Amino acid sequence: GQSLEQPSEVTAVEGAIVQINCTYQTSGFYGLSWYQQHDGGAPTFLSYNGLDGLEETGRFSSFLSRSDSYGYLLLQELQMKDSASYFCAVRDRDNYGQNFVFGPGTRLSVLP
Amino acid sequence: NAGVTQTPKFQVLKTGQSMTLQCAQDMNHNSMYWYRQDPGMGLRLIYYSASEGTTDKGEVPNGYNVSRLNKREFSLRLESAAPSQTSVYFCASSEEPRSYEQYFGPGTRLTVT
Repeated sequence: GQSLEQPSEVTAVEGAIVQINCTYQTSGFYGLSWYQQHDGGAPTFLSYNGLDGLEETGRFSSFLSRSDSYGYLLLQELQMKDSASYFCAVRDRDNYGQNFVFGPGTRLSVLP
Repeated sequence: NAGVTQTPKFQVLKTGQSMTLQCAQDMNHNSMYWYRQDPGMGLRLIYYSASEGTTDKGEVPNGYNVSRLNKREFSLRLESAAPSQTSVYFCASSEEPRSYEQYFGPGTRLTVT
């Protein structure tokens, strides 16, 4: 089985940088994904790390350290529209990695 | 290209009633999923279908059944609704079973009284 931990809430101001951490325990690992969900909306895919290191996509970056079972999502130049919940997710080793297990989510509030 | 669509958007049921949630995708994806999301929590997998003709249980399958009607459609049935099934239900699809990106529908908000 899998378990993931994330901080429940993070607050930052517009223009700042914020880091959302995710630690996981897994019996098998196929990579770490990040999803964004606005209130009342559907989750949307942000990024994926299959190997150690940093992946950058515009203002968002994601990092993975497999030896530490740890990853983070870095959001730069924060904007009000970034206020949302952010979920990390790993593939479950059961059933040959055919489904995701999601973390509990981190609610990000961006203040003016 | 509508992506993943779900019907209905909202539903209120009484305990013991049954209903089917519908999901369809137009991206020619092989894999489809049903999740539930409770307030302040992450998504929990109910059932998934790795490919047309196959379905498997996820983390929380009790009280639900699914049908992969064809490659496009994947329905979720509640045979006898219980208040514990009050939740938001999301359908998702991915190109292949091991794709790291899933595409989600807008969700169905279900209340069981």
